[in-house]
Amino acid sequence: GENVEQHPSTLSVQEGDSAVIKCTYSDSASNYFPWYKQELGKRPQLIIDIRSNVGEKKDQRIAVTLNKTAKHFSLHITETQPEDSAVYFCAAILAGAGTALIFGKGTTLSVSS
Amino acid sequence: DADVTQTPRNRITKTGKRIMLECSQTKGHDRMYWYRQDPGLGLRLIYYSFDVKDINKGEISDGYSVSRQAQAKFSLSLESAIPNQTALYFCATSDTGGGRGNKQFFGPGTRLTVL
Repeated sequence: GENVEQHPSTLSVQEGDSAVIKCTYSDSASNYFPWYKQELGKRPQLIIDIRSNVGEKKDQRIAVTLNKTAKHFSLHITETQPEDSAVYFCAAILAGAGTALIFGKGTTLSVSS
Repeated sequence: DADVTQTPRNRITKTGKRIMLECSQTKGHDRMYWYRQDPGLGLRLIYYSFDVKDINKGEISDGYSVSRQAQAKFSLSLESAIPNQTALYFCATSDTGGGRGNKQFFGPGTRLTVL
């Protein structure tokens, strides 16, 4: 079935550095790829998403890139700040399930000042 | 503000007990989802519903059942709880399909412990 692989599982950076999280997916028909941020004890929050007809999307310090041929997409956070510390999840549409999502296992990002 | 709410927020129960987790939303969304979160495993889809008459199994539906009582309410039941169902459970909603339908909004979660 559909699978989303996410790497790395943990990532530690210094404040001001960039962070990159990568995901691969298996269903070539997937056309929507969101990223969620989950702070400790909180619910996941959508931070950025991209559709398959777009190669890159930016929103201030975060960006997502998509390579449909290789079936992978990445989250880029520039000028990291301590408040970026959280668990980040990528997701893709579950094959044959309309808008239902399948998630990666998450990346714990720690930004130290 | 329109939101997604879950009750209870925390629940401790015993093996073999029946338990129901409830989700309500005031976002006016048609689509609702139940996920469970376990450390290191991410969010896994249990069931999803695109309208009151449409219920679908997700990745891990065994041991669970759901009821869509109304557009705004979607309940998850564990008929006979077992310890490996101890997890954090999230409800989510999204609008009708197409461009708007993909964005999912999560409730605050229910932490369930089965002893």
